Amino acid sequence: DAGITQSPRHKVTETGTPVTLRCHQTENHRYMYWYRQDPGHGLRLIHYSYGVKDTDKGEVSDGYSVSRSKTEDFLLTLESATSSQTSVYFCAISGTGIHPSYEQYFGPGTRLTVT
Amino acid sequence: DQQVKQNSPSLSVQEGRISILNCDYTNSMFDYFLWYKKYPAEGPTFLISISSIKDKNEDGRFTVFLNKSAKHLSLHIVPSQPGDSAVYFCAAATQGGSEKLVFGKGTKLTVNP
Repeated sequence: DAGITQSPRHKVTETGTPVTLRCHQTENHRYMYWYRQDPGHGLRLIHYSYGVKDTDKGEVSDGYSVSRSKTEDFLLTLESATSSQTSVYFCAISGTGIHPSYEQYFGPGTRLTVT
Repeated sequence: DQQVKQNSPSLSVQEGRISILNCDYTNSMFDYFLWYKKYPAEGPTFLISISSIKDKNEDGRFTVFLNKSAKHLSLHIVPSQPGDSAVYFCAAATQGGSEKLVFGKGTKLTVNP
């Protein structure tokens, strides 16, 4: 267990409302990632962070923003949720200096439904 | 364009037999490959990996084979157990790159008792 939690675990929200998902790690990993998983698409990277205040876009970043003000927390924000953002969101971490940093460890996921 | 492809969405095998999951990639810059296993309602868990300097890596019942010339890797599970029933994702990375992984779409393995 890599010591990674996500909150909330489930959320139902209405179209147009802002939503923030939180990823928290206790292992001091350098890198943090947000993915979404959808049927027929596998895991797609939304945004990732390579340090405090250092973030970059993934392949499906439109409509999402992130922030990382502390090593242990990585927030994903949907500024104005749309039905196409209904998905399961996974946070991942890597970069302990022991294992290769491309070995990512995943949180339990957040199931988001936008109605 | 998909850089990592898992062309079989599903696979069904009998308990005790071998399960072979396949993965193809198109980007010749990939030099590190990983397999993840995912149960329903849980996050993916790291299973096994292989560097491009090797052609085989083994961990218990799990073996990954890499054929660089064919840009193909496979995961062998021997013997298969009902608890191995899950979705398996292949992923690829470029060492010394941006620490990002590119995932395939996954193969759902069902091991029948």
